[in-house]
Amino acid sequence: DVKVTQSSRYLVKRTGEKVFLECVQDMDHENMFWYRQDPGLGLRLIYFSYDVKMKEKGDIPEGYSVSREKKERFSLILESASTNQTSMYLCASRGQGHYEQYFGPGTRLTVT
Amino acid sequence: AQSVTQLDSQVPVFEEAPVELRCNYSSSVSVYLFWYVQYPNQGLQLLLKYLSGSTLVESINGFEAEFNKSQTSFHLRKPSVHISDTAEYFCAVSEPDQFYFGTGTSLTVIP
Repeated sequence: DVKVTQSSRYLVKRTGEKVFLECVQDMDHENMFWYRQDPGLGLRLIYFSYDVKMKEKGDIPEGYSVSREKKERFSLILESASTNQTSMYLCASRGQGHYEQYFGPGTRLTVT
Repeated sequence: AQSVTQLDSQVPVFEEAPVELRCNYSSSVSVYLFWYVQYPNQGLQLLLKYLSGSTLVESINGFEAEFNKSQTSFHLRKPSVHISDTAEYFCAVSEPDQFYFGTGTSLTVIP
């Protein structure tokens, strides 16, 4: 089975802090994604990556950056956390030539 | 751009009753269709998928979905729900380079 893990299930940070969310997949997938999930808005794509050191903006990249130095790891960075970034963050991966995405358990981030 | 519509944001249903969760998408050009389930405070799990072949696809826990190209729909059904089916359900559509999610349907099974 595909396994996608995220570094934290719950995280509380203060406004202005730099926040790192880590995601690791063990299936040698080329594609990785970061979403945020908010009630009534569903999932919104923040950034995605098709390969190591490659990144593409999704629908809501403002206030976020990403890093993909190794194929299995995709990090989401909040440069200066704000209260409107309080959300559930979901990481996903997908193999090249496949269509379904596999999700991690999510990180519920609260910014106070 | 593709859009995915889940008209029902909340569906309450009594235990052992049938349920249908509706999903419509806007474009039928080379799409692949999925249903994901999300239990409270967890990530999304793939429930079932349609890639090609038979338009009726089934999951291991009794759900099924039917791809209807003319109606651009991919409704999810279960003939008899269980308490453990209480969860959020997301319909998703994949085009070659994009993945689109509906806003989700919260299914609540009432004892």
